[in-house]
Amino acid sequence: KAGVTQTPRYLIKTRGQQVTLSCSPISGHRSVSWYQQTPGQGLQFLFEYFSETQRNKGNFPGRFSGRQFSNSRSEMNVSTLELGDSALYLCASSGGRELNEQFFGPGTRLTVL
Amino acid sequence: GDSVTQMEGPVTLSEEAFLTINCTYTATGYPSLFWYVQYPGEGLQLLLKATKADDKGSNKGFEATYRKETTSFHLEKGSVQVSDSAVYFCALRVSGGGADGLTFGKGTHLIIQP
Repeated sequence: KAGVTQTPRYLIKTRGQQVTLSCSPISGHRSVSWYQQTPGQGLQFLFEYFSETQRNKGNFPGRFSGRQFSNSRSEMNVSTLELGDSALYLCASSGGRELNEQFFGPGTRLTVL
Repeated sequence: GDSVTQMEGPVTLSEEAFLTINCTYTATGYPSLFWYVQYPGEGLQLLLKATKADDKGSNKGFEATYRKETTSFHLEKGSVQVSDSAVYFCALRVSGGGADGLTFGKGTHLIIQP
């Protein structure tokens, strides 16, 4: 069974631009969560989607948004990029009997210049 | 709110030494507890988990016991190897497939010297 895949793996943007990151969950998983990892703040929950609906959102500004498609693939978008948005963005999927168990992708490394 | 506290390190040990990484938590509900490991340049891998009090999670020689009375989930390994060098994250999620994501500790950087 293929794991969680994220594209692209690396991305360089400049301040003020916007960016879209993509995540494909494990086949059969309907829940996708996004996390931001930075050296200063550690791992922080961004949002979770289940069956195309956002179930919960972490404490991030409205510049951070996401969506989920009918095939469970998810995208997250960051608009008006700031230097502080430079981070590793991790996607995790869960499903089946173990809804609390999340499987992570390799992440997308975003650098904002 | 929920929180996880763990030693940040770096923790440096010699090969074959005994490892303990402490983890304590506060949670508004009844959490499931996890240890994740992150190798350089990679995402997180689930190492072990426990879903109720007194459960012991184990994998690859690592163990952790869910202690509700002390709100702890310490990670242990009897004999570490150089390949165990990584960052270890303790995490919780309130049970019931809850709408909140995982709450992570800051991570413990483990360095094993040959």
